[in-house]
Amino acid sequence: EPEVTQTPSHQVTQMGQEVILRCVPISNHLYFYWYRQILGQKVEFLVSFYNNEISEKSEIFDDQFSVERPDGSNFTLKIRSTKLEDSAMYFCASSVAGAYEQYFGPGTRLTVT
Amino acid sequence: KQEVTQIPAALSVPEGENLVLNCSFTDSAIYNLQWFRQDPGKGLTSLLLIQSSQREQTSGRLNASLDKSSGRSTLYIAASQPGDSATYLCAVGPDSWGKLQFGAGTQVVVTP
Repeated sequence: EPEVTQTPSHQVTQMGQEVILRCVPISNHLYFYWYRQILGQKVEFLVSFYNNEISEKSEIFDDQFSVERPDGSNFTLKIRSTKLEDSAMYFCASSVAGAYEQYFGPGTRLTVT
Repeated sequence: KQEVTQIPAALSVPEGENLVLNCSFTDSAIYNLQWFRQDPGKGLTSLLLIQSSQREQTSGRLNASLDKSSGRSTLYIAASQPGDSATYLCAVGPDSWGKLQFGAGTQVVVTP
């Protein structure tokens, strides 16, 4: 059964460093998303991506964040200069169309020290 | 602004009992509603998606209903098993672009 994969599973970085989180969405899906979940809090939407451009972003997704689909399979989230408050579980998701069922990856736990 | 609420925050039931999980939302102008299961430290597993034009969806022991006018969805799990122990999240999709807005979840424990 196709699934969304994410690497790494856990990333530890120092404040101010750049991190890139990687995702491989399900192959025939066209819509891609990033969400995050701070420990003990709700899952929060960050950004949606379709046709090689951002379709929607939340107020969390500021200039420190960027997304890219560098090739036909990967979808990445970059945080340019990490802050302590960026520590969270980051989930990638994909769907065949915009309002269709979303499938989530296992997440990357980002710890900023 | 859309608010998604799940009450209760936690629930414990004996094995075999039916589970009823509630989700409410403040803005009825939604495109869809999706239910997920989350195990500790893990990702989200999709359980059911209900489009705004539908009243319910069923998958095995799971049944989810949607009442847009009252801003409510209910997830029923029949004949609960210890393996159903997890946190159940509901999420509403406000538009066709797919963004989901999540509730805080209901943590379920099914005791043998």
